[in-house]
Amino acid sequence: KNEVEQSPQNLTAQEGEFITINCSYSVGISALHWLQQHPGGGIVSLFMLSSGKKKHGRLIATINIQEKHSSLHITASHPRDSAVYICAVRSDNNDMRFGAGTRLTVKP
Amino acid sequence: NAGVTQTPKFRILKIGQSMTLQCTQDMNHNYMYWYRQDPGMGLKLIYYSVGAGITDKGEVPNGYNVSRSTTEDFPLRLELAAPSQTSVYFCASRNFLSSYEQYFGPGTRLTVT
Repeated sequence: KNEVEQSPQNLTAQEGEFITINCSYSVGISALHWLQQHPGGGIVSLFMLSSGKKKHGRLIATINIQEKHSSLHITASHPRDSAVYICAVRSDNNDMRFGAGTRLTVKP
Repeated sequence: NAGVTQTPKFRILKIGQSMTLQCTQDMNHNYMYWYRQDPGMGLKLIYYSVGAGITDKGEVPNGYNVSRSTTEDFPLRLELAAPSQTSVYFCASRNFLSSYEQYFGPGTRLTVT
């Protein structure tokens, strides 16, 4: 079993829909990251959080440390949000562990 | 700043050939990493370095070697390419004083046939 599990694996939405991607992890962590991988392959960091909630534009990330769960929400989704979203955790021994990613397609 | 750059973008190797994947960062970051990304799998750490002259193995180091002679450069060497090394390789860096955010290169798609 992977230490970082994401769901769903694939997600198709219509433009304007509210989207939620989930991440569960089984190790103690010092931080959790949400990354975005563009269709061309480049990876960019969206959020790093260790508690609570962060918001950047239409993106919101939350984390529940007790439940070992994080969610990434996208409001008013747009076709340019189409990408693979990756959850990654920094474990207590400083190793990074990555989820397999959620492939999001937003149709116009 | 150019950030993290990788070359080449694509490469096809025959079994048993060798090659070096180049990675350079111009942000004066101490930490550098090499990952591989296989279809349907999360990124796996191959090797990492916490500074010039210091390298250490990650989860999947077999078949690879690295060196870190300067802060900027962190090349990854494949000595005897095998089909199992077909993957997309990402280099990343971060400053140990920062909030753990890693900056990724654009990736190198390698096929071994």
